[in-house]
Amino acid sequence: TQLLEQSPQFLSIQEGENLTVYCNSSSVFSSLQWYRQEPGEGPVLLVTVVTGGEVKKLKRLTFQFGDARKDSSLHITAAQPGDTGLYLCAGDPVLGGTYKYIFGTGTRLKVLA
Amino acid sequence: DTGVSQDPRHKITKRGQNVTFRCDPISEHNRLYWYRQTLGQGPEFLTYFQNEAQLEKSRLLSDRFSAERPKGSFSTLEIQRTEQGDSAMYLCASSLAGGPQHFGDGTRLSIL
Repeated sequence: TQLLEQSPQFLSIQEGENLTVYCNSSSVFSSLQWYRQEPGEGPVLLVTVVTGGEVKKLKRLTFQFGDARKDSSLHITAAQPGDTGLYLCAGDPVLGGTYKYIFGTGTRLKVLA
Repeated sequence: DTGVSQDPRHKITKRGQNVTFRCDPISEHNRLYWYRQTLGQGPEFLTYFQNEAQLEKSRLLSDRFSAERPKGSFSTLEIQRTEQGDSAMYLCASSLAGGPQHFGDGTRLSIL
């Protein structure tokens, strides 16, 4: 069972456009992380959101954690070709019992010059 | 750069052979994690250590897989009698307890 669904799976946009990536779950997370991964490399941590309703900004990237801590979004303003990559949300669901850090299904973004 | 280091970056081997990968975490991190990632998918959790203790193993980690972290610093992941389905990127990450994970660039395993 996939606990973290991301949408869209693929996104191809022109430079300068805005976009939003969603990360949804039926489970509550104590925190969520967003990563970007480029081919042949490991995921690079972008941000951690912890508090329900929290908004964090990283230059042109805005991250939001849902009030119920079950979902998150990533908004990119004026996308640039350097934003191209695989965006992953991840976290440890508050299920109790065993530890299981899970990743979302991923959103592959391509920004065309 | 004192990030997470993995070795080798690429490994090509014949089916049935054993392979071992090494991960050197960020030095002050007490937690170390192993993941497997196949093309087009997000990483899947395999196992994690707190110091030298292996605290959790995924059901994905069959009995052909074994991981160790003997001194609570570097870790090794061994796959015995490799199969075609083992072809993947194997990622290592480290963190402080309760902190975010930082990833290495992975070892890409190809089984011929």
